[in-house]
Amino acid sequence: EDQVTQSPEALRLQEGESSSLNCSYTVSGLRGLFWYRQDPGKGPEFLFTLYSAGEEKEKERLKATLTKKESFLHITAPKPEDSATYLCAVHHYNQGGKLIFGQGTELSVKP
Amino acid sequence: DVKVTQSSRYLVKRTGEKVFLECVQDMDHENMFWYRQDPGLGLRLIYFSYDVKMKEKGDIPEGYSVSREKKERFSLILESASTNQTSMYLCASSSPEGHLYEQYFGPGTRLTVT
Repeated sequence: EDQVTQSPEALRLQEGESSSLNCSYTVSGLRGLFWYRQDPGKGPEFLFTLYSAGEEKEKERLKATLTKKESFLHITAPKPEDSATYLCAVHHYNQGGKLIFGQGTELSVKP
Repeated sequence: DVKVTQSSRYLVKRTGEKVFLECVQDMDHENMFWYRQDPGLGLRLIYFSYDVKMKEKGDIPEGYSVSREKKERFSLILESASTNQTSMYLCASSSPEGHLYEQYFGPGTRLTVT
């Protein structure tokens, strides 16, 4: 069964304490992996798309990487404003335009 | 920038009422989606549409219907609202052009059914 699993479910960091969020997937024929940020009470905000193993994308303190089985969202020297839920989603062949979403990782960064 | 707007941020309805949630996107995207999001259950796909007047059921279509009369507009209809439909409703759009499929979301509608 196609599945996307994110870990940990929740992560608490001190400001400046770097860490990584994990998104593992068990889909065949991956066409794209997407990262989103969601603030409480708001819609998800698109961050990155990764298409192939070895690809990396960066935006400010965030860097996303992709292997054949998982993706990591690395957060370097996080700030309190990075606190949010981070969602991972995948798109694969035979799914049309639908994405499969993970449950998300709730990140809290304390000053 | 892609913009997806939803008709209401907050909505309170009574059990049995017919409820319309509207979504408009300004990027000429072919694909549009309706999700609901509940704590511990994540995002669940209700309905989606690949073109005008086309619709397909998602994972939890029961109790909902949709309408897409124009490319930019996708409406979610709750024929007879029930308390278990209290949720955050999210609309999204995407384009298959270049095989991107990145979905862009609206701000969400927090619906409470009493």
